[in-house]
Amino acid sequence: EVQLLESGGGLVQPGGSLRLSCAASGFTFSNYAMSWVRQAPGKGLEWVSTISGSGDRTYHADSVKGRFTISRDNSRNTLYLQMNSLRADDTAVYYCAKNDLITIFGVAIDYWGQGTLVTVSS
Amino acid sequence: DIQMTQSPSSLSASVGDRVTITCRASQGISNYLAWFQQKPGKAPKSLIYAASSLQSGVPSKFSGSGSGTDFTLTINSLQPEDFATYYCQQYNSYPPTFGGGTKVEIK
Repeated sequence: EVQLLESGGGLVQPGGSLRLSCAASGFTFSNYAMSWVRQAPGKGLEWVSTISGSGDRTYHADSVKGRFTISRDNSRNTLYLQMNSLRADDTAVYYCAKNDLITIFGVAIDYWGQGTLVTVSS
Repeated sequence: DIQMTQSPSSLSASVGDRVTITCRASQGISNYLAWFQQKPGKAPKSLIYAASSLQSGVPSKFSGSGSGTDFTLTINSLQPEDFATYYCQQYNSYPPTFGGGTKVEIK
């Protein structure tokens, strides 16, 4: 059974940093690309970042480029999202998601984690 | 960026009804289209990929169709557990973009 368990969310001041983690199990982690998707309170879904199975290719949304970095540790079956220079509009539930192929192109999401809430406020 | 437009944004339906949701892409995306279901306070659930292929474990009451720019999600024999918000997403090119969602409510 695929399981994705996010952690690391919480309250942070504007300009601060946070690192989200996603512990994966139930599949061969290194064989699949992984993504982060967020959802602001009462709003729709917004793609944030995707990383290939090997970790050598990444994409980030323009809204987070230069501030957020997606990475993975295949030896620990863990996905990360390093978030720096946080702003109020980054407040959202952040979901870890498994893609259905190793590449980052043309890949659908097949499984989602339960999400972790990040609140950016003073 | 490719814009994804869903319609309607909300609808009311009765148990047993057949419901159709439409998703239009601002440019052609072949069949790189997914559908997700989200219930209040819960994570999204993947329903359909490649426009018409059901994810593992998804009941056949859900079906998807379309290619290019126009896509539909159909739910047959609506049940209480199907009342939720549904999102489409294109993954043909970066950035992957979602539709605004369609909230299916009980009439």
